Amino acid sequence: DGGITQSPKYLFRKEGQNVTLSCEQNLNHDAMYWYRQDPGQGLRLIYYSQIVNDFQKGDIAEGYSVSREKKESFPLTVTSAQKNPTAFYLCASSIGQPNTEAFFGQGTRLTVV
Amino acid sequence: GIQVEQSPPDLILQEGANSTLRCNFSDSVNNLQWFHQNPWGQLINLFYIPSGTKQNGRLSATTVATERYSLLYISSSQTTDSGVYFCAATYYGGSQGNLIFGKGTKLSVKP
Repeated sequence: DGGITQSPKYLFRKEGQNVTLSCEQNLNHDAMYWYRQDPGQGLRLIYYSQIVNDFQKGDIAEGYSVSREKKESFPLTVTSAQKNPTAFYLCASSIGQPNTEAFFGQGTRLTVV
Repeated sequence: GIQVEQSPPDLILQEGANSTLRCNFSDSVNNLQWFHQNPWGQLINLFYIPSGTKQNGRLSATTVATERYSLLYISSSQTTDSGVYFCAATYYGGSQGNLIFGKGTKLSVKP
């Protein structure tokens, strides 16, 4: 099946710990994105990557880091510098410009305990 | 930056009723998408519709780019239509491919 796979589905983190969320796609898409969703809100962009080995900050990048070493993979690390990390995280991909239709994974729900 | 506003924020329908959800955007867009977020949080693609009209079963969408709005029509609603509907847009001059989301319309369909 072609698609976007996020893991884990649920993640619990202690304060002060870094955690990494996985996002893998087998759609051969060039562009990948990370969004954050808070309860009752829309999605906000954390980081995006248009091509391997390149990525850009989105609107709320502070306290997060990413890498794009392979076309199919775009992991997100939530660092201890992120003050309020409890949220629902969604990964997306698209073919790339000019077609920007995006497809989403099933999400990872992160809770700080 | 671009603003995406959705209305109404909440909508309660009886099964079988029709509804129209609206999305207004503040600048010219080069992409507009409608999504349905299911109870498990997954975003399901409904329409990729930067302009024009599309239909898929009981759902249809129209985007009038020159007037900066899009409409999602749901006919003969079913309980499985419940959830949150988001519109999202990318715009000329923005971060490439960065979708700007509205806050969503929460739809509840009662049996």
